[in-house]
Order: sequence, then C-alpha cells, then structure tokens
Amino acid sequence: NAGVTQTPKFQVLKTGQSMTLQCAQDMNHNSMYWYRQDPGMGLRLIYYSASEGTTDKGEVPNGYNVSRLNKREFSLRLESAAPSQTSVYFCASSEPGQGKGEQFFGPGTRLTVL
Amino acid sequence: AQKITQTQPGMFVQEKEAVTLDCTYDTSDPSYGLFWYKQPSSGEMIFLIYQGSYDQQNATEGRYSLNFQKARKSANLVISASQLGDSAMYFCAMWHLGGGFKTIFGAGTRLFVKA
Repeated sequence: NAGVTQTPKFQVLKTGQSMTLQCAQDMNHNSMYWYRQDPGMGLRLIYYSASEGTTDKGEVPNGYNVSRLNKREFSLRLESAAPSQTSVYFCASSEPGQGKGEQFFGPGTRLTVL
Repeated sequence: AQKITQTQPGMFVQEKEAVTLDCTYDTSDPSYGLFWYKQPSSGEMIFLIYQGSYDQQNATEGRYSLNFQKARKSANLVISASQLGDSAMYFCAMWHLGGGFKTIFGAGTRLFVKA
C-alpha cells in the first residue's frame, strides 16, 4: 500500500501561471482533504471532499479549485498563482467512523511562486 | 464557529521527563473528535492519539495520553518519559459531526527535548 501520494514534490511557478497538484489514495477512503502549511504555522484547510462527487470549501479556498475525479483522486488547481500561495500543500484522506477516523497524509508539495 | 487554540509556541523538556502540551477547543456540536499529530523536521504528519467526545476514559497510546476535560473544553497531550526523537511540532486537531468531518488544526507547539 502506497497510502497517500502527491505529485509533484517540488514546484516553482511564476506569478500568473497555473498548475494542478495531484493526490491519490489507495485506502478506499471516502473523505479527502487539501491543506496548506505556511512556515511556522499550522495546517489550514483549503477544500475537502466528504465523498466521491462532493466538494466543499474550507478555511482558505480563494484562488483554488478542486476536482474529486473518483474515489481515489483529489486534485487541487491554482488558476493564476500568486506569491501569497507559496506554501507546503498537504493532501490527506480518512474514513470517518472507521477506527479512529484519523487522517493519513501525503508527503507534501513544496510550492514557490515568484 | 469551530476553533482550536494552542497557546504554547515552544516548549522545552528534559529527556526522560514528562511534558504536557495544551490544547483548547471550541464547538457547540456535542459530537466531535480530537486528534494529536506530530510533525518532525522531515515534514511528514504522524497521527498520535484520538479522543471522541463521548469517550468516557482518557485515550492512551503508549507514552502518549490525552487529558480530556470536556467541561473546560481542553484536550492536552501528555508525553511521558520524553525522548530526543520527540522533538517536533505537535498539532491538535478537531472534527465535528455537523461539519461533515471537516478537520481543523491548531497553530502547533514546537517541542524541544534536551539531553
């Protein structure tokens, strides 16, 4: 089992460029999440998907869009990158109600916007 | 609105001693869950311990225990017999049933274990 995988691991963009962060999980979880972590800070929820076919905004959704492509995959898109979006992005998945319902995290994508 | 507060930006503890990391939460939902995660300098997020709002007993996982005081809305993490490898960021997190299991995190506490 790979758990949660994210691509790419690192990315440098220029202001105004677009990109999509990919996330996939192989644990058959219904819920998936995208977070950003700024230096020295906690994780802030960007978007989440409680189940396939549903998405909802988190704390900081502006400037981002998401797609829950299927049960396994949840992508995050930056349409026009800004320096304020420089951050580490984590994808996570969980199965609430199963065991402790803890989230399993990917290794993160370190994004720099110049 | 739901909120998690961690008021200790940094903590120091001597190796082999116990340490308590504070977490307070705010929610009006009677059904919620509380987590603690560890983030070493390598960056990965590691699940440590979970407490459900209806759990009667405090959760324990090895050297980790959660001091759950529901009336005070606090969920402090206690690490016993600290080890050098415990040096990391620690995050408290919460979901609530009315939020569809959406999970929010506190700002974190950086723990330094001294030899």
